[in-house]
Amino acid sequence: DAGVIQSPRHEVTEMGQEVTLRCKPISGHDYLFWYRQTMMRGLELLIYFNNNVPIDDSGMPEDRFSAKMPNASFSTLKIQPSEPRDSAVYFCASSASSLYLTGESYEQYFGPGTRLTVT
Amino acid sequence: GENVEQHPSTLSVQEGDSAVIKCTYSDSASNYFPWYKQELGKGPQLIIDIRSNVGEKKDQRIAVTLNKTAKHFSLHITETQPEDSAVYFCAAFRTHSGTGFQKLVFGTGTRLLVSP
Repeated sequence: DAGVIQSPRHEVTEMGQEVTLRCKPISGHDYLFWYRQTMMRGLELLIYFNNNVPIDDSGMPEDRFSAKMPNASFSTLKIQPSEPRDSAVYFCASSASSLYLTGESYEQYFGPGTRLTVT
Repeated sequence: GENVEQHPSTLSVQEGDSAVIKCTYSDSASNYFPWYKQELGKGPQLIIDIRSNVGEKKDQRIAVTLNKTAKHFSLHITETQPEDSAVYFCAAFRTHSGTGFQKLVFGTGTRLLVSP
């Protein structure tokens, strides 16, 4: 498997523009997570999906952020309108099932990230 | 909610020395504690983990210890090598009893530099 795939790897945009980040999880994984990483706040969970359904979006900072998962192999994170303080690295991660598999590690597999710069 | 503190923020060692990174967590309901390694330009990758019913786990040169009473857990790397240089994150995982929401809360990271 190619792992979690994210695109684009880098995005530079002007304030006020719409930004769409894309993610393809590992095939067979039924959990998908979006994280944001900044120097100030570290790695923060924004939202996660289980079987394509959003479960917890309490980490989404504002209504300007939205995420969708139309099918098991694709998810988007959209920022509209973007602001300079949205500049960060955004990671998508996926995992198989839940923690409670006896004897199994619970690994979230991270993609390479999208570095977003909003000027 | 859960809060995970991690120390130190940076750690410099000589090749062959040991490195220790420490974390504390606040939520006694957290029951799983992974450590992730993030290399430059990449996403974090799981290197070792420990469940709350275990006090210590070892995998070659890395080991993790957990003190549930004190809510402390630590990563130990022995015989460090230059390729161990990276940012290391601890994390605590719990399932919310009311909502069933699952969350992995990360520490702020430790930048480890191993000098040859």
